[in-house]
Amino acid sequence: KNQVEQSPQSLIILEGKNCTLQCNYTVSPFSNLRWYKQDTGRGPVSLTIMTFSENTKSNGRYTATLDADTKQSSLHITASQLSDSASYICVVSAGSGGYNKLIFGAGTRLAVHP
Amino acid sequence: GAGVSQSPSNKVTEKGKDVELRCDPISGHTALYWYRQRLGQGLEFLIYFQGNSAPDKSGLPSDRFSAERTGESVSTLTIQRTQQEDSAVYLCASSLVGGGLYNEQFFGPGTRLTVL
Repeated sequence: KNQVEQSPQSLIILEGKNCTLQCNYTVSPFSNLRWYKQDTGRGPVSLTIMTFSENTKSNGRYTATLDADTKQSSLHITASQLSDSASYICVVSAGSGGYNKLIFGAGTRLAVHP
Repeated sequence: GAGVSQSPSNKVTEKGKDVELRCDPISGHTALYWYRQRLGQGLEFLIYFQGNSAPDKSGLPSDRFSAERTGESVSTLTIQRTQQEDSAVYLCASSLVGGGLYNEQFFGPGTRLTVL
């Protein structure tokens, strides 16, 4: 069964600190892995997309890593800001081209406190 | 419009009533998706439209759920005889094409459905 598991479920950090969110997946065939940010009351917004051949990808203060061998990914947030408070969702695309179905993790709810 | 829009933003209904949710995709996007997000859970795929092709309905949880799309524009998701377990946020997304390695889906803000 295709699954995406994220940890921790929730996290509280102080403004300016760094944090790392984890994602483990069992999806076959693997196409790509995405990290989304979902603010409360909003739809998810894409942060990064990586294929199996990419180990790391950055988007500003967000850096995603991917280990296709162990089927693990992480999202590192540097110098956190209050606006980083949101849910971060790991999404794995299953397929081999054409229409790919997305398998969503339950998300990690991050709260950044002043 | 600049992004995907959905209406209503919130809907409260009584058990057994029918509800209709609307999605306006980004202009020019041929692919449209509906998802359900229950509290504390990941998004569940419901249905996918791509141009004039037959929709992929494999994610619809029961025959009480149906969706229509007019050409490559607005889509409506209908839930008949609503049940309390239907309470969730229903998200719509659209993309330029349905496939491809970097198929970027753009999400609307969702409709929060509460069935009493």
